[in-house]
Amino acid sequence: DAMVIQNPRYQVTQFGKPVTLSCSQTLNHNVMYWYQQKSSQAPKLLFHYYDKDFNNEADTPDNFQSRRPNTSFCFLDIRSPGLGDAAMYLCATSRTGRETQYFGPGTRLLVL
Amino acid sequence: KNEVEQSPQNLTAQEGEFITINCSYSVGISALHWLQQHPGGGIVSLFMLSSGKKKHGRLIATINIQEKHSSLHITASHPRDSAVYICVVNRGSTLGRLYFGRGTQLTVWP
Repeated sequence: DAMVIQNPRYQVTQFGKPVTLSCSQTLNHNVMYWYQQKSSQAPKLLFHYYDKDFNNEADTPDNFQSRRPNTSFCFLDIRSPGLGDAAMYLCATSRTGRETQYFGPGTRLLVL
Repeated sequence: KNEVEQSPQNLTAQEGEFITINCSYSVGISALHWLQQHPGGGIVSLFMLSSGKKKHGRLIATINIQEKHSSLHITASHPRDSAVYICVVNRGSTLGRLYFGRGTQLTVWP
C-alpha cells in the first residue's frame, strides 16, 4: 500500500503560470519534506514542516511556497515557474525527523 | 566544499563482484542514511545508522563515528543493483536538517 503519495506524477506548466504539487501520507508522520532534484544531482531540501511549524532552507527561492493544512497533506506551490524550475520534486516523511525518511515517487515538472 | 563527500562518483562492476561505496562527512551527526534511487526517480531508504553495522540481504552498511566515515557494501552484485546510491547525514543539533552527498552511480553488467 502506498504510504507517501504524490500527485500528479508528471506536470507540464507554462513559464510563469502558477502550479501546485500535492503530497499525502498515510503514516501519520510529524515531519514532511519537499526536495527538488535536477538531473544528475542529489536532492536539494527546499523546506520541511514539523507538525505545523514551517522551516524554510535559507537558499530556497521566494517563488517556492508550501502549505500543510493537516497532518496528511502537504502542498508545494510554485508561484511563477521559470525554465530553471523544471525538475523532479520529491516529498518525504519522517516520524520525528531523526528517523528513516519515506519518499514518495516524485512529480516530474516540465516548464515550457 | 560539500559537508558530505561520496566516492567513487561512478562505479562499474561485473555481476558477482563485491562493491564498496564510501561516504565521508565533516559535521556532527545524529544519524546517517543510505538511499537508493533507480532510473525514473523512485527513492528507497536502505539503512539508517548511528553506530556500528547493519546488514540487509546482500547489503551491509557500516559507520565509524570517530572517523566520520561510512561504507555501503554490496556482496554478489547483480544488474538490478544498478542505481544511484546516496549518502545523507542528519545533523544532530538541528531537527530535520539533512546534508546530501552527490550520489554514486553504480552500473552492474551481466
